[in-house]
Amino acid sequence: DAKTTQPNSMESNEEEPVHLPCNHSTISGTDYIHWYRQLPSQGPEYVIHGLTSNVNNRMASLAIAEDRKSSTLILHRATLRDAAVYYCILRDGRGGADGLTFGKGTHLIIQP
Amino acid sequence: EAGVAQSPRYKIIEKRQSVAFWCNPISGHATLYWYQQILGQGPKLLIQFQNNGVVDDSQLPKDRFSAERLKGVDSTLKIQPAKLEDSAVYLCASSLDRLAGNIQYFGAGTRLSVL
Repeated sequence: DAKTTQPNSMESNEEEPVHLPCNHSTISGTDYIHWYRQLPSQGPEYVIHGLTSNVNNRMASLAIAEDRKSSTLILHRATLRDAAVYYCILRDGRGGADGLTFGKGTHLIIQP
Repeated sequence: EAGVAQSPRYKIIEKRQSVAFWCNPISGHATLYWYQQILGQGPKLLIQFQNNGVVDDSQLPKDRFSAERLKGVDSTLKIQPAKLEDSAVYLCASSLDRLAGNIQYFGAGTRLSVL
């Protein structure tokens, strides 16, 4: 599986935007970029995913570099509830076995 | 819509004992996954089912771990005998199908402590 690299931790203030980076220099043309997050004592939850174009949903935005070797998850206005570990994951779009390969993720700390 | 249900939430056993975890996926979800999450690490896939067939069990320690999904709905994961290093959170997830855009929905997990 293609690998992703994320900072171990990031800190931000409440009500400010947060940009979480992810590098995936060995991404293949069929790999989708997925983001999940895990709040304390909970299972991971889906945030957003994309292939080539930038994506927006009610939780966040995903900005994908033109060469697809990096992406950024954007939380437009962080709240205390957004404090979690954020995982950037590549999923092969060709089907078959598609279990998620989690790294260590980025621990996002939100200061009030 | 009900989420992925797992039980028990917590389990404490001694090494060499057996333990079983249960998962009820979201209704209509054909694909079911079991993950193991050791403290401080991301979840690791143990096994993936499509309906009642195994798609991927390459990371399942088959000498002590087993899983089944007999009727293509509920699933159980068993450890026999447990070792100290099996202490972890066991997460179950389900998705509608095996497509790259499909979202995986996770349960809250079962926290296992092996003493």
